[in-house]
Amino acid sequence: NAGVTQTPKFQVLKTGQSMTLQCAQDMNHNSMYWYRQDPGMGLRLIYYSASEGTTDKGEVPNGYNVSRLNKREFSLRLESAAPSQTSVYFCASGGAGSFTDTQYFGPGTRLTVL
Amino acid sequence: SQKIEQNSEALNIQEGKTATLTCNYTNYSPAYLQWYRQDPGRGPVFLLLIRENEKEKRKERLKVTFDTTLKQSLFHITASQPADSATYLCARDNNNDMRFGAGTRLTVKP
Repeated sequence: NAGVTQTPKFQVLKTGQSMTLQCAQDMNHNSMYWYRQDPGMGLRLIYYSASEGTTDKGEVPNGYNVSRLNKREFSLRLESAAPSQTSVYFCASGGAGSFTDTQYFGPGTRLTVL
Repeated sequence: SQKIEQNSEALNIQEGKTATLTCNYTNYSPAYLQWYRQDPGRGPVFLLLIRENEKEKRKERLKVTFDTTLKQSLFHITASQPADSATYLCARDNNNDMRFGAGTRLTVKP
């Protein structure tokens, strides 16, 4: 079991470029999440998907879009990157599609926007 | 706004002592709180969940309490070891999302 995997591990973008962060889980979880982590701010939820076919906004959704491609995969897209989106991005998954579940996190993607 | 705060950014203790980390929340009464451990360069790893009707929960050397009157959770590591050095995060449900504290970086010195 690989758990939650994320690609890429590191990325440098120029302002205005676009990119997609990929996430996959092999634990047959219903729910998946995208967070960003900034120094002194803790983890903040960007978007989540309680089940295949549904997505909802979290605390900081502006500038991002997501796709729940199937039960395993949940991608995060930056259409026009800005320096304020420099952060470490974590994908997570959980069992029953509610926030009462334990979340299992991926290793993170460190993104720098110049 | 609904906040979750971890009072100490960093905590240094001597090996063998008990580490106590604090998590406070405001303006919302969560149904449960979760605690995670995060090592540098890695994603958080779940440790314990405590529900609002539970006063205390234990797992090996870890103990978590939940005081709904004080709006506070305490996380204890007894007989601490250098390997316990990490950042510890608390998190609470918030209707349709999760809110995490900024974390407390614990250093256990031999």
